[in-house]
Amino acid sequence: SYELTQPPSVSVSPGQTASITCSGDKLGDKYACWYQQKPGQSPVLVIYQNSKRPSGIPERFSGSNSGNTATLTISGTQAMDEADYYCQAWDSSTVIFGGGTQLTVL
Amino acid sequence: EVQLVESGGGLVKPGGSLRLSCAASGFIFSTYSMNWVRQAPGKGLEWVSFIRSSSSYKYYADSVKGRFTVSRDNAQNSLYLQMNSLRAEDTAVYYCAREWHRDSSDLDVWGQGTTVTVSS
Repeated sequence: SYELTQPPSVSVSPGQTASITCSGDKLGDKYACWYQQKPGQSPVLVIYQNSKRPSGIPERFSGSNSGNTATLTISGTQAMDEADYYCQAWDSSTVIFGGGTQLTVL
Repeated sequence: EVQLVESGGGLVKPGGSLRLSCAASGFIFSTYSMNWVRQAPGKGLEWVSFIRSSSSYKYYADSVKGRFTVSRDNAQNSLYLQMNSLRAEDTAVYYCAREWHRDSSDLDVWGQGTTVTVSS
């Protein structure tokens, strides 16, 4: 079965750029999307179709997807961006989530 | 306002059954495919099931295949998940989520979740 691999944790200083990767076999041939989830809250879609931002998502969130890796980039990271982030793709009639990355802003 | 509201969670013994519901409002429910996604305590997101807008296609995670059944009533703007033969590992918050783009299966609207606890 298809798998998506994320680093368990990423740390970033306020104002710096955070990059969270998501790896899967030929992931670049599929669409990837990203969700943000804060403690006690439901997930929020922050990037869809590799690099598009839904309405209301700040411009500091961007995405890319090529080869075997999709990347979520947060430019000028703010304290409010501290959360868990999940990548997601679709393969063989199955929705697949990555294991999640805890982003710490310190 | 576009909204999904889950209900039906609770405490159930191993081997028992539970039916979750998801009430949709603020959008044309009958035109969207829907998903169930769960999250065990302290764990990541796990996709559970998908149903096409017309109910023509239904897909399940291997972990629930044969035990869970997804259905919908477009006239009632409602999504359901019938869960049978429940196990301790089914303990989780269950979310319903709307599929936004069919070719990328991104989930743009999520409910607040309903908690299912399987324990004796």
